[in-house]
Amino acid sequence: DAKTTQPPSMDCAEGRAANLPCNHSTISGNEYVYWYRQIHSQGPQYIIHGLKNNETNEMASLIITEDRKSSTLILPHATLRDTAVYYCIVRVVYGNKLVFGAGTILRVKS
Amino acid sequence: GAGVSQTPSNKVTEKGKYVELRCDPISGHTALYWYRQSLGQGPEFLIYFQGTGAADDSGLPNDRFFAVRPEGSVSTLKIQRTERGDSAVYLCASSQAGTGAYEQYFGPGTRLTVT
Repeated sequence: DAKTTQPPSMDCAEGRAANLPCNHSTISGNEYVYWYRQIHSQGPQYIIHGLKNNETNEMASLIITEDRKSSTLILPHATLRDTAVYYCIVRVVYGNKLVFGAGTILRVKS
Repeated sequence: GAGVSQTPSNKVTEKGKYVELRCDPISGHTALYWYRQSLGQGPEFLIYFQGTGAADDSGLPNDRFFAVRPEGSVSTLKIQRTERGDSAVYLCASSQAGTGAYEQYFGPGTRLTVT
């Protein structure tokens, strides 16, 4: 699975959009981009995934660049409850395990 | 519906003892995963079951670690001769299938402390 690079931490004001970047320059054509988050003392929670097109669900939007070498997770209106570690993961279509990096600590502040 | 559950939530054991950690996946999910998370790090893959069989056990650190899923539902992670370095949160996840784009749903984890 391709390696991902994320900033170690970010701050965001409550009510504003949180934009979390992820670099995956070695991604191959059969690899999806997944985002999970982990709120303190809980198990990771699935957020969204995509292959090449932008995706949106009730939690977030995922913007993948045309060359697929980077992506951005967007939380449109961050709340204090969105404070968590956010993991960007690249996984092959036929793969099984998730390979987690260190993630980005997002702190939403009032 | 019910999510993935794990028992116990906390386990304290002495070095050298044997422990069992249990995972109840979401009903109908054929794939089950075990991960381990040390403080300040992301989860680390241990083993993956498709049905009753271990399809990928490449993450098990050594032969003190073993996992079973005899009926294709509940799974037990077994650790023999525990060491202080085994202290971590052990996470279980399940998904509808092992391959494809299916997301994994995680349980709350079991915090294991080896004294």
